[in-house]
Amino acid sequence: GAVVSQHPSWVICKSGTSVKIECRSLDFQATTMFWYRQFPKQSLMLMATSNEGSKATYEQGVEKDKFLINHASLTLSTLTVTSAHPEDSSFYICSARAFNTGELFFGEGSRLTVL
Amino acid sequence: GENVEQHPSTLSVQEGDSAVIKCTYSDSASNYFPWYKQELGKGPQLIIDIRSNVGEKKDQRIAVTLNKTAKHFSLHITETQPEDSAVYFCAASISRGNQFYFGTGTSLTVIP
Repeated sequence: GAVVSQHPSWVICKSGTSVKIECRSLDFQATTMFWYRQFPKQSLMLMATSNEGSKATYEQGVEKDKFLINHASLTLSTLTVTSAHPEDSSFYICSARAFNTGELFFGEGSRLTVL
Repeated sequence: GENVEQHPSTLSVQEGDSAVIKCTYSDSASNYFPWYKQELGKGPQLIIDIRSNVGEKKDQRIAVTLNKTAKHFSLHITETQPEDSAVYFCAASISRGNQFYFGTGTSLTVIP
């Protein structure tokens, strides 16, 4: 199947710093990418929908100034958690929708721990 | 908007038995239904999908059925193995739409 690469897989940072997570579709073009947050033993919580070349659409309750999303190309989207705090610690997952088939593929996730 | 419900939330089966997970959806415009397997600490992996123009699809031990009239679809795993233990998510989408709607997940445990 198609591959979505997400990096880093885990990161530990100090409170107040910013962290960037990258999501790349390696062998297909993705006009739409999605970012999720997942708490232990819970389902995927959609944070935002990212379309190439346009501003991301954020779900209600997600602070767009805190979670900066950039989708600069058909294969790359980034999520930057700005001024991170311990409550931002979570598992963040990206997904990419293949332009030609409409299938959705997920990255491996990034475990963020804010000290 | 679309609403996807998934049952059961947890499922335990003996190795070799079959497991069935069911999902319902509300929007008749949905026409693409993927299933994902998520192992602990990893991202979900697409394991099988079905489009509304077919009623059943099979891939080795995994099969998915779709009943458009009743708006429900199911995942069937036969001859379960311990490595099938994971959380499974169903989803519904419109092929050329922009959103996927996920079920709440089923934690499957296969007991050796």
